[in-house]
Amino acid sequence: ELKVEQNPLFLSMQEGKNYTIYCNYSTTSDRLYWYRQDPGKSLESLFVLLSNGAVKQEGRLMASLDTKARLSTLHITAAVHDLSATYFCAVDLPLEYGNKLVFGAGTILRVKS
Amino acid sequence: SAVISQKPSRDICQRGTSLTIQCQVDSQVTMMFWYRQQPGQSLTLIATANQGSEATYESGFVIDKFPISRPNLTFSTLTVSNMSPEDSSIYLCSVATGEKLFFGSGTQLSVL
Repeated sequence: ELKVEQNPLFLSMQEGKNYTIYCNYSTTSDRLYWYRQDPGKSLESLFVLLSNGAVKQEGRLMASLDTKARLSTLHITAAVHDLSATYFCAVDLPLEYGNKLVFGAGTILRVKS
Repeated sequence: SAVISQKPSRDICQRGTSLTIQCQVDSQVTMMFWYRQQPGQSLTLIATANQGSEATYESGFVIDKFPISRPNLTFSTLTVSNMSPEDSSIYLCSVATGEKLFFGSGTQLSVL
Protein backbone atom coordinates (compact mmCIF):
# COMPACT_ATOMS: atom_id res chain seq x y z
CA GLU A 1 0.00 0.00 0.00
CA LEU A 2 1.25 3.43 -0.91
CA LYS A 3 1.61 5.68 2.09
CA VAL A 4 2.41 9.31 2.75
CA GLU A 5 3.19 10.00 6.37
CA GLN A 6 3.43 13.42 7.91
CA ASN A 7 4.71 14.30 11.32
CA PRO A 8 3.96 15.84 13.60
CA LEU A 9 0.19 15.82 13.13
CA PHE A 10 -0.21 18.70 15.52
CA LEU A 11 2.29 21.42 16.27
CA SER A 12 1.89 24.22 18.75
CA MET A 13 4.71 26.73 18.70
CA GLN A 14 5.55 30.14 19.99
CA GLU A 15 5.98 33.08 17.72
CA GLY A 16 9.58 33.56 16.68
CA LYS A 17 10.51 29.90 16.95
CA ASN A 18 11.67 27.54 14.21
CA TYR A 19 10.32 24.10 13.43
CA THR A 20 10.23 21.46 10.71
CA ILE A 21 7.38 19.33 9.39
CA TYR A 22 8.36 16.03 7.83
CA CYS A 23 6.75 14.12 4.98
CA ASN A 24 7.82 10.55 4.25
CA TYR A 25 6.47 8.51 1.37
CA SER A 26 6.76 4.86 0.51
CA THR A 27 7.19 4.76 -3.25
CA THR A 28 9.29 6.36 -5.94
CA SER A 29 8.19 9.82 -6.90
CA ASP A 30 9.90 12.86 -8.37
CA ARG A 31 7.18 15.37 -7.58
CA LEU A 32 5.90 16.51 -4.25
CA TYR A 33 3.51 19.29 -3.31
CA TRP A 34 2.94 21.29 -0.15
CA TYR A 35 -0.44 22.89 0.46
CA ARG A 36 -1.89 25.13 3.13
CA GLN A 37 -5.51 24.95 4.25
CA ASP A 38 -7.21 27.49 6.49
CA PRO A 39 -10.31 26.40 8.42
CA GLY A 40 -13.31 26.11 6.14
CA LYS A 41 -11.25 26.99 3.09
CA SER A 42 -9.86 25.16 0.10
CA LEU A 43 -6.22 24.28 -0.46
CA GLU A 44 -3.62 26.85 -1.38
CA SER A 45 -0.58 25.67 -3.27
CA LEU A 46 2.66 26.54 -1.49
CA PHE A 47 5.41 24.62 -3.25
CA VAL A 48 5.96 22.14 -6.03
CA LEU A 49 9.20 20.20 -5.70
CA LEU A 50 10.21 18.53 -8.93
CA SER A 51 13.55 16.86 -8.42
CA ASN A 52 15.98 15.45 -5.92
CA GLY A 53 17.62 18.18 -3.93
CA ALA A 54 15.00 20.77 -4.85
CA VAL A 55 14.70 23.59 -2.35
CA LYS A 56 12.14 26.37 -2.51
CA GLN A 57 11.53 29.27 -0.18
CA GLU A 58 8.69 31.70 0.21
CA GLY A 59 8.77 34.08 3.13
CA ARG A 60 9.19 32.14 6.37
CA LEU A 61 8.61 28.75 4.72
CA MET A 62 11.22 26.62 3.03
CA ALA A 63 10.58 23.22 1.47
CA SER A 64 13.06 20.60 0.35
CA LEU A 65 12.94 17.21 -1.32
CA ASP A 66 15.22 14.19 -1.02
CA THR A 67 13.90 11.59 -3.44
CA LYS A 68 16.47 9.00 -2.42
CA ALA A 69 15.35 9.16 1.20
CA ARG A 70 11.73 9.66 0.08
CA LEU A 71 11.53 12.61 2.40
CA SER A 72 10.39 16.19 2.15
CA THR A 73 10.61 18.84 4.82
CA LEU A 74 8.76 22.08 5.36
CA HIS A 75 10.80 24.37 7.58
CA ILE A 76 9.24 27.29 9.40
CA THR A 77 11.50 30.13 10.39
CA ALA A 78 10.57 32.67 13.08
CA ALA A 79 6.93 31.66 13.11
CA VAL A 80 4.19 34.27 13.16
CA HIS A 81 0.52 33.87 14.05
CA ASP A 82 -0.58 34.17 10.40
CA LEU A 83 1.10 30.86 9.65
CA SER A 84 -1.49 29.03 11.75
CA ALA A 85 -3.19 26.58 9.36
CA THR A 86 -3.15 22.94 8.34
CA TYR A 87 -0.30 21.93 6.05
CA PHE A 88 -0.51 18.96 3.71
CA CYS A 89 2.13 17.28 1.64
CA ALA A 90 1.03 15.31 -1.41
CA VAL A 91 3.02 12.90 -3.52
CA ASP A 92 2.54 12.60 -7.25
CA LEU A 93 2.54 8.90 -8.00
CA PRO A 94 4.07 7.43 -11.14
CA LEU A 95 1.93 6.58 -14.14
CA GLU A 96 1.78 2.88 -13.24
CA TYR A 97 -0.04 3.88 -10.05
CA GLY A 98 -2.50 6.01 -11.91
CA ASN A 99 -0.63 9.29 -12.00
CA LYS A 100 -2.52 10.71 -9.05
CA LEU A 101 -1.82 12.57 -5.84
CA VAL A 102 -1.78 10.90 -2.45
CA PHE A 103 -2.05 13.26 0.49
CA GLY A 104 -0.52 13.06 3.91
CA ALA A 105 -2.74 13.33 6.96
CA GLY A 106 -1.90 16.98 7.45
CA THR A 107 -0.14 18.93 10.18
CA ILE A 108 -2.21 21.34 12.22
CA LEU A 109 0.01 24.27 13.09
CA ARG A 110 -0.92 26.71 15.83
CA VAL A 111 1.39 29.65 16.44
CA LYS A 112 0.88 31.28 19.79
CA SER A 113 1.65 34.89 20.55
CA SER B 1 -2.68 28.93 -13.43
CA ALA B 2 -6.34 27.97 -13.37
CA VAL B 3 -9.37 29.57 -11.76
CA ILE B 4 -11.95 27.06 -10.60
CA SER B 5 -15.49 27.97 -9.69
CA GLN B 6 -17.23 25.38 -7.58
CA LYS B 7 -20.80 25.46 -6.38
CA PRO B 8 -22.63 25.22 -4.17
CA SER B 9 -20.18 26.29 -1.50
CA ARG B 10 -22.21 24.55 1.15
CA ASP B 11 -25.48 22.72 1.56
CA ILE B 12 -27.49 20.95 4.19
CA CYS B 13 -29.37 17.98 2.82
CA GLN B 14 -31.79 15.37 4.03
CA ARG B 15 -30.93 11.72 4.19
CA GLY B 16 -31.83 9.83 1.02
CA THR B 17 -31.62 12.82 -1.31
CA SER B 18 -28.95 13.63 -3.90
CA LEU B 19 -26.79 16.69 -4.46
CA THR B 20 -24.96 17.68 -7.62
CA ILE B 21 -21.79 19.73 -7.30
CA GLN B 22 -20.57 21.75 -10.27
CA CYS B 23 -17.04 22.69 -11.17
CA GLN B 24 -16.19 25.22 -13.88
CA VAL B 25 -12.62 25.94 -14.99
CA ASP B 26 -11.49 29.04 -16.84
CA SER B 27 -9.35 27.04 -19.27
CA GLN B 28 -9.50 23.71 -21.03
CA VAL B 29 -8.03 20.85 -19.05
CA THR B 30 -7.70 17.19 -19.87
CA MET B 31 -8.26 15.71 -16.46
CA MET B 32 -10.35 16.86 -13.56
CA PHE B 33 -10.22 15.25 -10.15
CA TRP B 34 -12.78 14.96 -7.39
CA TYR B 35 -11.66 14.66 -3.78
CA ARG B 36 -13.45 14.14 -0.51
CA GLN B 37 -12.25 15.54 2.80
CA GLN B 38 -14.05 14.07 5.76
CA PRO B 39 -14.16 16.15 8.95
CA GLY B 40 -10.68 16.53 10.41
CA GLN B 41 -9.20 14.25 7.79
CA SER B 42 -6.95 14.50 4.79
CA LEU B 43 -8.06 14.41 1.17
CA THR B 44 -9.04 11.21 -0.57
CA LEU B 45 -9.36 10.95 -4.33
CA ILE B 46 -12.82 9.85 -5.42
CA ALA B 47 -12.35 9.71 -9.16
CA THR B 48 -10.60 11.14 -12.18
CA ALA B 49 -12.80 12.56 -14.92
CA ASN B 50 -11.63 12.73 -18.53
CA GLN B 51 -13.72 14.40 -21.17
CA GLY B 52 -15.46 11.94 -23.45
CA SER B 53 -14.91 8.84 -21.34
CA GLU B 54 -16.15 7.23 -18.17
CA ALA B 55 -14.66 8.47 -14.95
CA THR B 56 -12.10 6.28 -13.23
CA TYR B 57 -13.05 5.58 -9.63
CA GLU B 58 -10.73 4.85 -6.74
CA SER B 59 -11.11 1.88 -4.47
CA GLY B 60 -14.07 2.35 -2.18
CA PHE B 61 -15.98 4.66 -4.50
CA VAL B 62 -18.55 3.53 -7.06
CA ILE B 63 -20.33 5.18 -9.94
CA ASP B 64 -23.81 4.50 -8.57
CA LYS B 65 -23.02 6.49 -5.45
CA PHE B 66 -20.88 9.20 -7.04
CA PRO B 67 -21.86 9.62 -10.70
CA ILE B 68 -19.66 12.09 -12.55
CA SER B 69 -20.26 13.95 -15.77
CA ARG B 70 -17.61 15.59 -17.93
CA PRO B 71 -19.39 17.06 -20.95
CA ASN B 72 -16.52 19.28 -22.08
CA LEU B 73 -12.99 20.33 -21.23
CA THR B 74 -13.99 23.09 -18.79
CA PHE B 75 -16.83 21.59 -16.77
CA SER B 76 -17.62 18.62 -14.55
CA THR B 77 -20.24 17.60 -12.04
CA LEU B 78 -20.16 15.18 -9.13
CA THR B 79 -23.41 13.86 -7.70
CA VAL B 80 -23.59 12.45 -4.21
CA SER B 81 -26.53 10.04 -4.38
CA ASN B 82 -28.85 8.65 -1.74
CA MET B 83 -27.02 10.58 0.93
CA SER B 84 -26.46 9.47 4.50
CA PRO B 85 -24.84 11.34 7.40
CA GLU B 86 -21.58 9.53 6.59
CA ASP B 87 -21.41 11.54 3.36
CA SER B 88 -21.00 14.77 5.33
CA SER B 89 -17.67 16.06 4.06
CA ILE B 90 -16.02 18.73 1.99
CA TYR B 91 -15.93 17.84 -1.69
CA LEU B 92 -13.29 19.48 -3.87
CA CYS B 93 -12.62 19.46 -7.55
CA SER B 94 -9.14 20.03 -8.87
CA VAL B 95 -7.30 20.37 -12.15
CA ALA B 96 -3.71 20.02 -13.18
CA THR B 97 -2.12 22.68 -15.34
CA GLY B 98 1.56 22.55 -15.97
CA GLU B 99 3.25 21.31 -12.84
CA LYS B 100 0.62 22.49 -10.40
CA LEU B 101 -2.65 21.12 -9.14
CA PHE B 102 -5.31 23.72 -8.37
CA PHE B 103 -8.34 23.25 -6.19
CA GLY B 104 -11.81 24.67 -6.24
CA SER B 105 -13.17 26.41 -3.17
CA GLY B 106 -14.90 23.25 -2.01
CA THR B 107 -18.46 22.23 -1.19
CA GLN B 108 -19.19 21.68 2.46
CA LEU B 109 -21.97 19.10 2.66
CA SER B 110 -23.90 18.28 5.80
CA VAL B 111 -26.41 15.43 5.71
CA LEU B 112 -29.07 15.28 8.41
